[in-house]
Amino acid sequence: GENVEQHPSTLSVQEGDSAVIKCTYSDSASNYFPWYKQELGKRPQLIIDIRSNVGEKKDQRIAVTLNKTAKHFSLHITETQPEDSAVYFCAGSGNTPLVFGKGTRLSVIA
Amino acid sequence: SQTIHQWPATLVQPVGSPLSLECTVEGTSNPNLYWYRQAAGRGLQLLFYSVGIGQISSEVPQNLSASRPQDRQFILSSKKLLLSDSGFYLCAWSSRTDFNSPLHFGNGTRLTVT
Repeated sequence: GENVEQHPSTLSVQEGDSAVIKCTYSDSASNYFPWYKQELGKRPQLIIDIRSNVGEKKDQRIAVTLNKTAKHFSLHITETQPEDSAVYFCAGSGNTPLVFGKGTRLSVIA
Repeated sequence: SQTIHQWPATLVQPVGSPLSLECTVEGTSNPNLYWYRQAAGRGLQLLFYSVGIGQISSEVPQNLSASRPQDRQFILSSKKLLLSDSGFYLCAWSSRTDFNSPLHFGNGTRLTVT
């Protein structure tokens, strides 16, 4: 089955700097890769997703890139703000339900 | 619009007691339904999923079970809780066509087994 590895587990950045979180997946049949943001005590919420037929997708300060050959995808957050502080999860799926990475705790220091 | 309801929000239960968590979805038909568990400070572990009434797939062997008595209702149960069952339980739904669509999570149930 699918296995998703996520790095780093924790990340601290200064406000205004960029943050990058990386994930790798094992199943070459996987073709859908969402990213979720989870604030403390709350449910995960979808922030952006990408399908295997594109290499990059942007939504304001957030972007995701996908390298199918290397089987890895990344989340990029630019101009970080304190409200970006949360746990971020990557995930992947193909013919099976989404498998999640273990999460990255992002802290944006004002 | 679609909404997902999950209850209760918090639950404290003694070891050996039974469990029943309920989840309902509104505004969509034939959704895929899921139960995930999140241990404190950990990732999201898929417990069960269902692609239709009465169809349950289990991902992890354990003392939990799931049932889908109606199209938009998903229930997580246990006959006897263990300490290791403590965690944050999340119900979710996605569109029926395939698994390659966003998951929409409920607000979760924080279970503490004492």
